[in-house]
Amino acid sequence: DTEVTQTPKHLVMGMTNKKSLKCEQHMGHRAMYWYKQKAKKPPELMFVYSYEKLSINESVPSRFSPECPNSSLLNLHLHALQPEDSALYLCASSQEATDTQYFGPGTRLTVL
Amino acid sequence: GEDVEQSLFLSVREGDSSVINCTYTDSSSTYLYWYKQEPGAGLQLLTYIFSNMDMKQDQRLTVLLNKKDKHLSLRIADTQTGDSAIYFCAESRGGLTGGGNKLTFGTGTQLKVEL
Repeated sequence: DTEVTQTPKHLVMGMTNKKSLKCEQHMGHRAMYWYKQKAKKPPELMFVYSYEKLSINESVPSRFSPECPNSSLLNLHLHALQPEDSALYLCASSQEATDTQYFGPGTRLTVL
Repeated sequence: GEDVEQSLFLSVREGDSSVINCTYTDSSSTYLYWYKQEPGAGLQLLTYIFSNMDMKQDQRLTVLLNKKDKHLSLRIADTQTGDSAIYFCAESRGGLTGGGNKLTFGTGTQLKVEL
């Protein structure tokens, strides 16, 4: 089973809202990732967690705040977003941070 | 994705073979991947090849790697309408400050399968 789940599937929020995206995997993977994907573009890496510790932050604005409460769960907390943050947010996981990454279905975020 | 290049669009007839090409730049890449993305969906891992291999076959999929030319291709035999999607190649680069590898994706190729 190589399933990564993400909720919600769609999210619409205003620029003053606070919301969270959730990602879950039960494959025993120890690395988890957040990517942002704009339409017709490849995914761009945002954050990497390895063994529940943040190991990579690709200079992401502080209005995006990741959290890894346990080895199966990854959250992305959103606050004071801009309309240009509207995108598909993809979560991925891998056995270790050097291994093959498996992606979830994504959350389609629209910021009004 | 600007270091990994793909042609933007490919159109084939159902039943024909499709060949999607990818040119990468980092000769130290350990693994090279092909992902498929259908409209509104996430990325589905199709196959991958280790950098010391020349070819890998998996059912209808054949991956060819020319390490000298840094060229990767994905051949889909007997292409079906369900194969219509965007295909991304990706190279795995190590040496990140925090450890681990980073996937660098190609620009993506839109495959359209016509009846």
